[in-house]
Amino acid sequence: AQSVTQLGSHVSVSEGALVLLRCNYSSSVPPYLFWYVQYPNQGLQLLLKYTSAATLVKGINGFEAEFKKSETSFHLTKPSAHMSDAAEYFCAATYTGGFKTIFGAGTRLFVKA
Amino acid sequence: EAGVAQSPRYKIIEKRQSVAFWCNPISGHATLYWYQQILGQGPKLLIQFQNNGVVDDSQLPKDRFSAERLKGVDSTLKIQPAKLEDSAVYLCASSVGAGQGGSGQYFGPGTRLTVT
Repeated sequence: AQSVTQLGSHVSVSEGALVLLRCNYSSSVPPYLFWYVQYPNQGLQLLLKYTSAATLVKGINGFEAEFKKSETSFHLTKPSAHMSDAAEYFCAATYTGGFKTIFGAGTRLFVKA
Repeated sequence: EAGVAQSPRYKIIEKRQSVAFWCNPISGHATLYWYQQILGQGPKLLIQFQNNGVVDDSQLPKDRFSAERLKGVDSTLKIQPAKLEDSAVYLCASSVGAGQGGSGQYFGPGTRLTVT
């Protein structure tokens, strides 16, 4: 079955430190891959997307993600965390066969002053 | 450009009652999605429309949930009768088209349903 796995339900970093949120997908055919951010009491907002062009994808708010087919991974990074980055982050994959999007369980990012 | 609109934002009902949620997608978006997001989990797709036709409703509990998208624009999701386990946030999203799976989805603010 197709699945998206996010390692770590909670990640805590200090302000100014590197942010690394992990995502792995299951498929022999690379799907479209996305990262979304969700702030409290809001819907999800698209951060960035991979659609088989460049493997390093840049998104909003200084985030970027690298697609690695050999590792079936699409980890999200940001060089320097800001307090405003504290939120829940979801990795998602759209499998082209049925255009069905599957979301990971989410990783809550805490940023310490 | 206006975003995806949803109403109401919050709803509290007793079990066995019925409830309806409304969604207005971004203008021109052919595909509309309803997701259920239980606290601490990622969104789970309930139903996906392409224009006013159903593309996927495999995870919709059809004995109690129903959805329609009249004229390929607005959509309504209904629960009748509600159960305690239906307490969740119901998210509506839209995208340019199902055939463009790489375009990403745009989400509304969600409706938080509490069933007591």
